Amino acid sequence: KAGVTQTPRYLIKTRGQQVTLSCSPISGHRSVSWYQQTPGQGLQFLFEYFSETQRNKGNFPGRFSGRQFSNSRSEMNVSTLELGDSALYLCASSPSGQGVGGKLFFGSGTQLSVL
Amino acid sequence: KNQVEQSPQSLIILEGKNCTLQCNYTVSPFSNLRWYKQDTGRGPVSLTIMTFSENTKSNGRYTATLDADTKQSSLHITASQLSDSASYICVVSDNAGNMLTFGGGTRLMVKP
Repeated sequence: KAGVTQTPRYLIKTRGQQVTLSCSPISGHRSVSWYQQTPGQGLQFLFEYFSETQRNKGNFPGRFSGRQFSNSRSEMNVSTLELGDSALYLCASSPSGQGVGGKLFFGSGTQLSVL
Repeated sequence: KNQVEQSPQSLIILEGKNCTLQCNYTVSPFSNLRWYKQDTGRGPVSLTIMTFSENTKSNGRYTATLDADTKQSSLHITASQLSDSASYICVVSDNAGNMLTFGGGTRLMVKP
């Protein structure tokens, strides 16, 4: 079985732009969650989607949004980029209805640099 | 406020030696505690998941312990290998399974 795939692997943007990141979960996994990882704050939960619906959300501003498609693939969007948005963005999928409460399988992440 | 504190922040050991990483949490109510290994430039990989009723869980040379009364967990690595060099992250889930609180991680370096 293929693992969680995230694209692109690296991305460079400038302040004020917007960006869309993509995540393809493991086949059969219906829960997809997103995380931000920075050297200063560590890993932080952004949101989780299950069956095309946002089920849980962390404490991030509305500039961070996401969606999930009928094939469980998910996208995350960040609008009006700020320098502090530079981070590794990780996506994880989960095989059961437990969502983030169950075992998570992470992708390798998208490294976003905002200049 | 839910918090997960890990210690030490970094650790250097010689190949073949054992080491123990610590995790203290204040998440309440508590559902489960996980340990993840994250290699540089990669996503975290699950090592163990423990519910409040489990005291010990092993995965090869990795053994995690949990004391739900004192809200402490440890990850013991036996006979370390160079490939154990990574960050180890402790993650606690609330009892609804809705929120995850991450520790800051312990960066382990195993030297030959």
